[in-house]
Amino acid sequence: DVKVTQSSRYLVKRTGEKVFLECVQDMDHENMFWYRQDPGLGLRLIYFSYDVKMKEKGDIPEGYSVSREKKERFSLILESASTNQTSMYLCATLRGNQPQHFGDGTRLSIL
Amino acid sequence: QKEVEQDPGPLSVPEGAIVSLNCTYSNSAFQYFMWYRQYSRKGPELLMYTYSSGNKEDGRFTAQVDKSSKYISLFIRDSQPSDSATYLCAMSGRQGAQKLVFGQGTRLTINP
Repeated sequence: DVKVTQSSRYLVKRTGEKVFLECVQDMDHENMFWYRQDPGLGLRLIYFSYDVKMKEKGDIPEGYSVSREKKERFSLILESASTNQTSMYLCATLRGNQPQHFGDGTRLSIL
Repeated sequence: QKEVEQDPGPLSVPEGAIVSLNCTYSNSAFQYFMWYRQYSRKGPELLMYTYSSGNKEDGRFTAQVDKSSKYISLFIRDSQPSDSATYLCAMSGRQGAQKLVFGQGTRLTINP
């Protein structure tokens, strides 16, 4: 079974802080994704990575950056957190022709 | 108009009922269709994965795709309280696509 681990389940930060969300997978999947999930808006893709050090913007990349220095780890960075970035953040992985597998999410609150 | 439309509910039914969850879509290029189940405070887990038109059955769950109508359904037979969750449809134009298009999700409650 694929295991996608997000480092924190709940996180509270203040506006203006630099925030790091970490995601680790144990199945050697090439692709990794960051989504945010908001009521009424569903899942929206922020960034994805198809290989180490490679990244592509998703639908809502503004205010975020990502880092993938090792294949198993994909980090989402909020450069200067704002209250409108309060959300549930989900990491997912993908290999070959299989569907995406998700982690359990990080519920982030920006005060 | 959104590419994928899904009634957000909430939907509440008694235990044992047959549940029908639906999504409509506008992009005729979609060929791969997924249903994810998401329990409260957890991530989505893959429930069903189908290609093109037709039915796929897995235990109490049946996924149905009608490409001519651009309509997909998930049926749950003999529904249980443990089926209470949010159900998300997702679709893509090719297998293993990096970009999935998701519906909003339908919140389902099965009452004992």
